[in-house]
Amino acid sequence: NAGVTQTPKFQVLKTGQSMTLQCAQDMNHEYMSWYRQDPGMGLRLIHYSVGAGITDQGEVPNGYNVSRSTTEDFPLRLLSAAPSQTSVYFCASRPGQPDSPLHFGNGTRLTVT
Amino acid sequence: AQSVTQLDSQVPVFEEAPVELRCNYSSSVSVYLFWYVQYPNQGLQLLLKYLSGSTLVESINGFEAEFNKSQTSFHLRKPSVHISDTAEYFCAVNTLGAGSYQLTFGKGTKLSVIP
Repeated sequence: NAGVTQTPKFQVLKTGQSMTLQCAQDMNHEYMSWYRQDPGMGLRLIHYSVGAGITDQGEVPNGYNVSRSTTEDFPLRLLSAAPSQTSVYFCASRPGQPDSPLHFGNGTRLTVT
Repeated sequence: AQSVTQLDSQVPVFEEAPVELRCNYSSSVSVYLFWYVQYPNQGLQLLLKYLSGSTLVESINGFEAEFNKSQTSFHLRKPSVHISDTAEYFCAVNTLGAGSYQLTFGKGTKLSVIP
């Protein structure tokens, strides 16, 4: 059972480039989310989805797009990378009930130069 | 809106000493509370959770947390820490109610266990 799988593990981008961070889960979880982790800031929610075809914004959505065409996949797109998007990105999923804990991937470390 | 405050960003403690990591939350409705742990270069893992019932909850590795509604706190404690407990710990709150699926995290407390 793989759980939540994120790719790539590391990425370096130049300002203005675009890329997609991949996230896949094999637990049939309805809820998926993306967080960014910055030193001293904890984890901040970027976007989340409560099921296929349904997405919504979190606390820090600007500069990021998401889509949820299947239950398993929840990619995060950076349209035009900026140095402020240098961070560690975590994908997490859980069953639909809000009392269920989140299952996290191992993260993607992104550097924008 | 809910918020979570972790009062200490770093806590150094000697091996086999007790430790308390403090967490306070604010929310206008009933909450679910969680503690997550993050070991270096890994994602977060659930340590323990409070949903309802007994206000004292325990993890499998000796940590416990007590929900205090009047003080809106959910402090994490361990009577005797080990080197392997060195990690960053995050308190998180998720509110009950329709339409609210967001889990809000505190900024984290780095626990360093000194041999």
